[in-house]
Amino acid sequence: AQKITQTQPGMFVQEKEAVTLDCTYDTSDQSYGLFWYKQPSSGEMIFLIYQGSYDEQNATEGRYSLNFQKARKSANLVISASQLGDSAMYFCAMRSGTGGFKTIFGAGTRLFVKA
Amino acid sequence: GAGVSQTPSNKVTEKGKYVELRCDPISGHTALYWYRQSLGQGPEFLIYFQGTGAADDSGLPNDRFFAVRPEGSVSTLKIQRTERGDSAVYLCASSYGGSSTDTQYFGPGTRLTVL
Repeated sequence: AQKITQTQPGMFVQEKEAVTLDCTYDTSDQSYGLFWYKQPSSGEMIFLIYQGSYDEQNATEGRYSLNFQKARKSANLVISASQLGDSAMYFCAMRSGTGGFKTIFGAGTRLFVKA
Repeated sequence: GAGVSQTPSNKVTEKGKYVELRCDPISGHTALYWYRQSLGQGPEFLIYFQGTGAADDSGLPNDRFFAVRPEGSVSTLKIQRTERGDSAVYLCASSYGGSSTDTQYFGPGTRLTVL
């Protein structure tokens, strides 16, 4: 069965420090995509970063990077130089072909950035 | 360009009533998705359209839920005989294609409240 697990309901980080948000996934597919989204209090889901299962290098987008460890089935999000505006819910998601093209989301991690 | 838009932003209805929620995807995006997000949870997949057809409707909870996309652009999610448990934020997303690697871009959501 397809599954995404985010074990950190809440995380605190000091402004300007780096933080890692954990995500593990379960799939029997060889081809899949992993995504991270940010959801601020306004409610809109904002795409942050994508990692394909065949990508050999970890994805990076500005201050966001994805620590992809395929053998461990983990896709942790690293946010460098945290800003107050990073305070939000963060969701890890996966999509694969044999999952029926549905995207499965984790339960999310709420990040609090302290000044 | 314009992002995904959803109307209405808020809908309050009474138990047993019929509601329609509308989604306008990003122009040129062939794939469209509906999700439901309950408070404190990640989005839950409902249905995925590729063009005009529903490629995967396995997430629809029961036959009270139905969605259409007659011209391959705008989609309407229809809920009959609403129940209090249907109260949630309904999110729409679109992507350029329908593969597992295509990034989905989300609209602001419709908050449905069933009294």
